[in-house]
Amino acid sequence: NAGVTQTPKFQVLKTGQSMTLQCAQDMNHEYMSWYRQDPGMGLRLIHYSVGAGITDQGEVPNGYNVSRSTTEDFPLRLLSAAPSQTSVYFCASSSYRDGEKLFFGSGTQLSVL
Amino acid sequence: DQQVKQNSPSLSVQEGRISILNCDYTNSMFDYFLWYKKYPAEGPTFLISISSIKDKNEDGRFTVFLNKSAKHLSLHIVPSQPGDSAVYFCAASAETGNQFYFGTGTSLTVIP
Repeated sequence: NAGVTQTPKFQVLKTGQSMTLQCAQDMNHEYMSWYRQDPGMGLRLIHYSVGAGITDQGEVPNGYNVSRSTTEDFPLRLLSAAPSQTSVYFCASSSYRDGEKLFFGSGTQLSVL
Repeated sequence: DQQVKQNSPSLSVQEGRISILNCDYTNSMFDYFLWYKKYPAEGPTFLISISSIKDKNEDGRFTVFLNKSAKHLSLHIVPSQPGDSAVYFCAASAETGNQFYFGTGTSLTVIP
């Protein structure tokens, strides 16, 4: 009964480093997405996918890459980390039938020094 | 520019009373509206939703009201319980499953 699993829970990077935030869901959901939560800004959509092999940009895509090779996995790559990317990152999934009900992972707290 | 706004960062209510959380939006293309609840160190969890063809939706103690002409929605919790203490986000979408726009959240504290 895992739902949406995000790893790692915490990460500290130096400016310029790259890393991948992992996200996996076991509900066979078609839709997956990545959000970042910043103080006073709410959750903002970074990238989303409507199915394997299909991705699109959200509100704040710059500095991030995604791919969706399987239904289950939707990793988020930071190409060259910047202090502005310090945030809490949430992965979410939903089904085509019930698309408004997003299921969120527990988040990744990322600090870029 | 924020398309979904929650102008009250925090709200305190006595246990047993009504909690009213408000949300405004600017995009007239939005047709799905949702409320999510978030506890510290957890991801948001879905609470209740409403589509633009309705003006009210109830689920137990939670009721969401939508006023399309005013571009305003509200979440009523009756009666409020200490376990309801959390951050509440409203969200809106023009196409379910794709791009959701979230408000900045309202931190609700229910005082026993």
